[in-house]
Amino acid sequence: DAGVIQSPRHEVTEMGQEVTLRCKPISGHNSLFWYRQTMMRGLELLIYFNNNVPIDDSGMPEDRFSAKMPNASFSTLKIQPSEPRDSAVYFCASSPQGAVNTGELFFGEGSRLTVL
Amino acid sequence: KQEVTQIPAALSVPEGENLVLNCSFTDSAIYNLQWFRQDPGKGLTSLLLIQSSQREQTSGRLNASLDKSSGRSTLYIAASQPGDSATYLCAVRRNNDMRFGAGTRLTVKP
Repeated sequence: DAGVIQSPRHEVTEMGQEVTLRCKPISGHNSLFWYRQTMMRGLELLIYFNNNVPIDDSGMPEDRFSAKMPNASFSTLKIQPSEPRDSAVYFCASSPQGAVNTGELFFGEGSRLTVL
Repeated sequence: KQEVTQIPAALSVPEGENLVLNCSFTDSAIYNLQWFRQDPGKGLTSLLLIQSSQREQTSGRLNASLDKSSGRSTLYIAASQPGDSATYLCAVRRNNDMRFGAGTRLTVKP
């Protein structure tokens, strides 16, 4: 399997622009997570999906952030409008749920976002 | 809310030393605990996964232990090598909620 695939790997944009980050989870995994990593705050859970349904989006910082998972093989994280403080590395991860939520978490390589 | 703490924040050791990284968590009702490695500018690579019913897991020179009742886990690295230099993160999982510590930045000097 190719692992969790994220795109773009790097994005530089100007404040106010819309940003869309994409993720393809590992085939067969039914849980998908979006994380944000910064030097100041470390890894923060933004939202996670189970069987394509958003379960907990309490980590989404503001209404400017939205995430969708239209099918089992694709998810997007959108920021509109973007601000300089959104600059971070955004990671997508997937996990097989298993019988008792014991699945191992696998990460993508991340999307490094810089908002000027 | 689950809080995960890793001590120390940074560690520097000479090559060949055995070392222990610590992870503590506030809510013991977890399903599993996972240790990751992150190299600069890279994603997270899974090292070891310990289920809540297990006490330890081993992979090569790595051994991870879990004491759920006290909310602690340790990652033991034997005979450290310069290639082990990276940031090590632990994460605890309950349902589909996984929370990470801030990590320990390890430097192994040749």
